[in-house]
Amino acid sequence: EPEVTQTPSHQVTQMGQEVILRCVPISNHLYFYWYRQILGQKVEFLVSFYNNEISEKSEIFDDQFSVERPDGSNFTLKIRSTKLEDSAMYFCASSVRFSGNTIYFGEGSWLTVV
Amino acid sequence: AQTVTQSQPEMSVQEAETVTLSCTYDTSESDYYLFWYKQPPSRQMILVIRQEAYKQQNATENRFSVNFQKAAKSFSLKISDSQLGDAAMYFCAYRSPNTGNQFYFGTGTSLTVIP
Repeated sequence: EPEVTQTPSHQVTQMGQEVILRCVPISNHLYFYWYRQILGQKVEFLVSFYNNEISEKSEIFDDQFSVERPDGSNFTLKIRSTKLEDSAMYFCASSVRFSGNTIYFGEGSWLTVV
Repeated sequence: AQTVTQSQPEMSVQEAETVTLSCTYDTSESDYYLFWYKQPPSRQMILVIRQEAYKQQNATENRFSVNFQKAAKSFSLKISDSQLGDAAMYFCAYRSPNTGNQFYFGTGTSLTVIP
């Protein structure tokens, strides 16, 4: 069964550094997402992406964050100048626009900012 | 924004028994989608079951079924014949067709299965 894959599974970074989290969505999916889950808290929406542009973003997704689809398969989340409170599990997800409304999550990238 | 409430932070069930996890939501929309996701210790989010609001029939997926009460805005998950592998955090989620595919998640219910 096709899966959303994410790399790295775990990254430790120093405060102020830039981090890029990578995702390969399911190949025939058209919508891509990033969600965040701070330890012990609910999963929160960050951004959705369609047709090479952001379709919606939350208040969390400020200028510190950016997303990109650099080629036909990868979907990246860049976090500039990381802060301690950016420590969280970041989930990539994808969905098919027309034939279903389920989103499929990757296994997550656990980011620790020290 | 829509809100999703899971009032049971923790639940436990004896292996082979049945357990029901509660979820309520607040919306003014008539058409929407509801989901239950499971998050085991590996922290991957795994789809358990989904329900379209326009369907009156409750969704069923093997040992998992829902009790969807649209008027009450309630969407509970029943797990029958509980297995050790069912132990996980369970999240209820709401998706509106009008908000760009965004999902709204509840705070989760941690399910323990007792051997």
